[in-house]
Amino acid sequence: KAGVTQTPRYLIKTRGQQVTLSCSPISGHRSVSWYQQTPGQGLQFLFEYFSETQRNKGNFPGRFSGRQFSNSRSEMNVSTLELGDSALYLCASSLTRLNYGYTFGSGTRLTVV
Amino acid sequence: AQSVTQLDSHVSVSEGTPVLLRCNYSSSYSPSLFWYVQHPNKGLQLLLKYTSAATLVKGINGFEAEFKKSETSFHLTKPSAHMSDAAEYFCVVSLGDSNYQLIWGAGTKLIIKP
Repeated sequence: KAGVTQTPRYLIKTRGQQVTLSCSPISGHRSVSWYQQTPGQGLQFLFEYFSETQRNKGNFPGRFSGRQFSNSRSEMNVSTLELGDSALYLCASSLTRLNYGYTFGSGTRLTVV
Repeated sequence: AQSVTQLDSHVSVSEGTPVLLRCNYSSSYSPSLFWYVQHPNKGLQLLLKYTSAATLVKGINGFEAEFKKSETSFHLTKPSAHMSDAAEYFCVVSLGDSNYQLIWGAGTKLIIKP
């Protein structure tokens, strides 16, 4: 079966712009989580969606937002991009909210110049 | 508060020798624990998970981990390293019953010498 699909794979944006990243979970998975990975900070939790509702949010500014659609696909939006937003953004899906292990996508590499 | 400490940022072993990646956790609850692997320029892959069943957990690619409550440890081992094991490994703990957020260790880079 298809894995978690993240698009685009690579993105270059200019400071001040906004960006939308997309994540299609494994078919039937209803929980989608987003993570930011940088060399300095490691993996940091952004937010989790389940049944179109944000259930948890990490410690990120309001410029970072997301949503989940009825088909469980999720989007993440970052407005007013800063250089420090350059990172690998990873999406993970899980069948339920129980911690039986998430399946990760390959990520979107965002570079802000 | 829940936390995860991976005791080594880098581990270097020769091909064919055993691998030990160390992880200690702190959790107020009975934790769920995971090991993930990330190969260069790839996403994260679940190696194995502990969710209060058997304390010795077997994962993919010959890896296993033992949950030791008394030592609050969840070390990852493999009897014989292969060149393809070179990657970064992350130990992860879940926050608990009502919060499904995962807390990630800083990662251990495994280097395999030929």
